[in-house]
Amino acid sequence: DGGITQSPKYLFRKEGQNVTLSCEQNLNHDAMYWYRQDPGQGLRLIYYSQIVNDFQKGDIAEGYSVSREKKESFPLTVTSAQKNPTAFYLCASSRGDTNTGELFFGEGSRLTVL
Amino acid sequence: GQQLNQSPQSMFIQEGEDVSMNCTSSSIFNTWLWYKQDPGEGPVLLIALYKAGELTSNGRLTAQFGITRKDSFLNISASIPSDVGIYFCAGRQGAQKLVFGQGTRLTINP
Repeated sequence: DGGITQSPKYLFRKEGQNVTLSCEQNLNHDAMYWYRQDPGQGLRLIYYSQIVNDFQKGDIAEGYSVSREKKESFPLTVTSAQKNPTAFYLCASSRGDTNTGELFFGEGSRLTVL
Repeated sequence: GQQLNQSPQSMFIQEGEDVSMNCTSSSIFNTWLWYKQDPGEGPVLLIALYKAGELTSNGRLTAQFGITRKDSFLNISASIPSDVGIYFCAGRQGAQKLVFGQGTRLTINP
């Protein structure tokens, strides 16, 4: 079945460590996105990529980094520079067609910093 | 950045009641989407709207694209326990990024 797979589902990190969250899609979508969700809040865009080897900062990119070496993959690294990294992270993809805004989401990764 | 005002922030209802929530913006959008998020999961697309005035149904769910293009409504009829979750609206202007509302948390008392 086509879909978006995020891993790991749960991740614990010590302060000062970098961690990488995986996101893979087999929907043949051009665009991929990373969102952060905090309790009681909406989704905030971290980074997005509309094509391989290109990505753009979202609204809260500081302390995060991404790469887009393959169409199917868009990993997110939460660096030690991110001051408050504990959150629920959501990856999404879309066809990238400007005529549609439909995003399809993965199941999320919950990061907890100890 | 752009803001979407989603209301209410939370709802507590009895099973079988109808539900109504909305999103408003000071900006014009050409796409409105409604998502539902179950606890610990990613949001799932419920309804997509692309034309001003459009009214679309998906089972017990009905959503409308406001005629001014600055708002959208989602109604749920005859609520059931599995409707519990957080509902998000999202809007897009042309090729711009999607903007999300802050969500409406729905709780249903059996």
